[in-house]
Amino acid sequence: DVHLEESGGGLVQPGGSLRLSCVGTGFNFNNHAMTWVRQAPGKGLEWVSGFSSGGFTPLYADAVRGRFTISRDEAKSTLFLQMDNLREDDTAVYHCVKDAWGWLFDSWGQGILVTVSS
Amino acid sequence: IQVTQSPSSLSASVGDTVTITCRASRGISPYLNWYQHKPGKAPTVLISGASNLQSGVPSRFSGTGSGPDFTLTITDLQPEDYATYYCQQSYSAPITFGQGTRVDIK
Repeated sequence: DVHLEESGGGLVQPGGSLRLSCVGTGFNFNNHAMTWVRQAPGKGLEWVSGFSSGGFTPLYADAVRGRFTISRDEAKSTLFLQMDNLREDDTAVYHCVKDAWGWLFDSWGQGILVTVSS
Repeated sequence: IQVTQSPSSLSASVGDTVTITCRASRGISPYLNWYQHKPGKAPTVLISGASNLQSGVPSRFSGTGSGPDFTLTITDLQPEDYATYYCQQSYSAPITFGQGTRVDIK
């Protein structure tokens, strides 16, 4: 079975940084694009960043471009999200998501809470 | 690409038929997927490519659509179907989700 386990969340002050990690097991990590999707309290799902299928090009939502960086370590089957210059509106549960192909999100992690507050 | 989902919430009884719609800001067919999200759980994909039922998803779920307009239908609503449903366009990045439809017990 596919399993995605996020870590690295927590409380951080505005302007601070956090690095999220996601270990993927139960599938060939090297063959799949991966994505981060977040859900702010009381809000809907929001795509944050992901690698495109086929070329693994990193792409970003306008709200995080220039502040967040997505990366992957295929030897460790791990996806990362480096989050810098965090703002209060980045507060959300962040889900690590496996892309079946072409932005079809077929497996999701339980999510990790990031709280940005002074 | 903006995706507008409606309604934002609805109340229905067990056995009812429920319809949720999504309209994209341009034609994206068939690049529209539907997800179910229950509180405290990870979202799951129900339908891909507008109408393709994912493996293991009950046949009471169905999707249709073309151009910019899409519909998710749940027939014979069951207690386990009470959840929030999202559409998502997979036509091009940045990827966008609909605002969500919460289905409550009437």
